[in-house]
Amino acid sequence: EAGVAQSPRYKIIEKRQSVAFWCNPISGHATLYWYQQILGQGPKLLIQFQNNGVVDDSQLPKDRFSAERLKGVDSTLKIQPAKLEDSAVYLCASNPQGGYEQFFGPGTRLTVL
Amino acid sequence: GDSVTQMEGPVTLSEEACLTINCTYTATGYPSLFWYVQYPGEGLQLLLKATKADDKGSNKGFEATYRKETTSFHLEKGSVQVSDSAVYFCALTSNTGNQFYFGTGTSLTVIP
Repeated sequence: EAGVAQSPRYKIIEKRQSVAFWCNPISGHATLYWYQQILGQGPKLLIQFQNNGVVDDSQLPKDRFSAERLKGVDSTLKIQPAKLEDSAVYLCASNPQGGYEQFFGPGTRLTVL
Repeated sequence: GDSVTQMEGPVTLSEEACLTINCTYTATGYPSLFWYVQYPGEGLQLLLKATKADDKGSNKGFEATYRKETTSFHLEKGSVQVSDSAVYFCALTSNTGNQFYFGTGTSLTVIP
């Protein structure tokens, strides 16, 4: 079974630029999550999708972050414009409906200069 | 709200030493508890889980017991190896939904 795929693995941008991350969850997994993991901290949930609907985006900085999952499969997370404090690893995870375990992708390491 | 508190690191051990990483939680209802491991440059991988009180999760020589009376889920291993060097995260999910709450992580380095 293929795992959660994310791209790119690494991205370096300058502040005020835009960036987008892509995630393809495990086939059949209804729920998809985006997390932000700042160095030395645990993952912080940014947004949770159930199929193509948003379940929780209470911690998403909506003035600069956006995410979509139009067909209920893969998802993109965008930052526009980026700030220095957005430097982090962005993790995507998925789980099947009703399941407890989350399956994580390898993450995208973003460096904002 | 729900939360997880885990032992701060970093932890450095010699090979074959015993490991305990403490984790306590606050939750309403009956959460499921997890330990995830993150090797350098990789995403999080599930190490073990327990879904009800007194359950013991185990994998790769690691164990953790869901203790409702002390609201704890401490990670233990009797003899660590260099390959166990990683960051370990305690996490919970409530029984009302599938949102996860992660601890801050504990970095473990095992030296030969």
